[in-house]
Amino acid sequence: QSALTQPRSVSGSLGQSLTFSCTGTSSDVGGYNFVSWYQQHPGKVPKVLIFAVSQRPSGVPDRFSGSKSGNTASLTISGLQAEDEADYYCSSYAGHSAIGLFGGGTKLTVL
Amino acid sequence: VQLVQSGPEVKKPGESLKISCMGSGFDFGTSYMGWVRQMPGKGLEWMGVIFPYDLTVRYRPSFQGQVTISVDKSINTAFLQWSSLKASDTAIYYCAKESYGDVEYWGQGTLVTVSS
Repeated sequence: QSALTQPRSVSGSLGQSLTFSCTGTSSDVGGYNFVSWYQQHPGKVPKVLIFAVSQRPSGVPDRFSGSKSGNTASLTISGLQAEDEADYYCSSYAGHSAIGLFGGGTKLTVL
Repeated sequence: VQLVQSGPEVKKPGESLKISCMGSGFDFGTSYMGWVRQMPGKGLEWMGVIFPYDLTVRYRPSFQGQVTISVDKSINTAFLQWSSLKASDTAIYYCAKESYGDVEYWGQGTLVTVSS
């Protein structure tokens, strides 16, 4: 049961829009609308940004949005800010094991 | 909703350990509770999930037989237990209230250090 595939790092400039990808299979990302995204700053607890593919918890800015196409989920950050520099993880329900599966994480550097 | 985990632990290889996560502000008995491992400098890994209502536990295969997940419904607390720790168990362990792999709430994390 391999982790979901995320690029190891991305970088962007202040104000730019960026999209992170998260690729799985038809047994996880492609098979269920249970994809979530988390932001983790160094030494901190992960924060829920997106759940159920595209839903934002209250308090999460609408600069963050989620979507899915086939076996790939995406997180888009619009209007990049300095405080967005962090690690981003995707997760999906994996029906065959009935347990979640994380991606390896993407480190965002804001230039 | 709050998930409050037990404090940091320093153990020797071969020792046993049980860490805890107390939930409040939600119906613990009908909520799925999971444990997530984060090794130093590494990513997040689901370890397993328990449904307190019927005590059903599902483990990620790589953790099956390595740890035990349990709950005590009378005190709204989930547990993660090792019978014989290894140095490779050194990590931060987060408990999470989850639904179909989506974490709704995170505990603050428990740092477990295993060193001789």
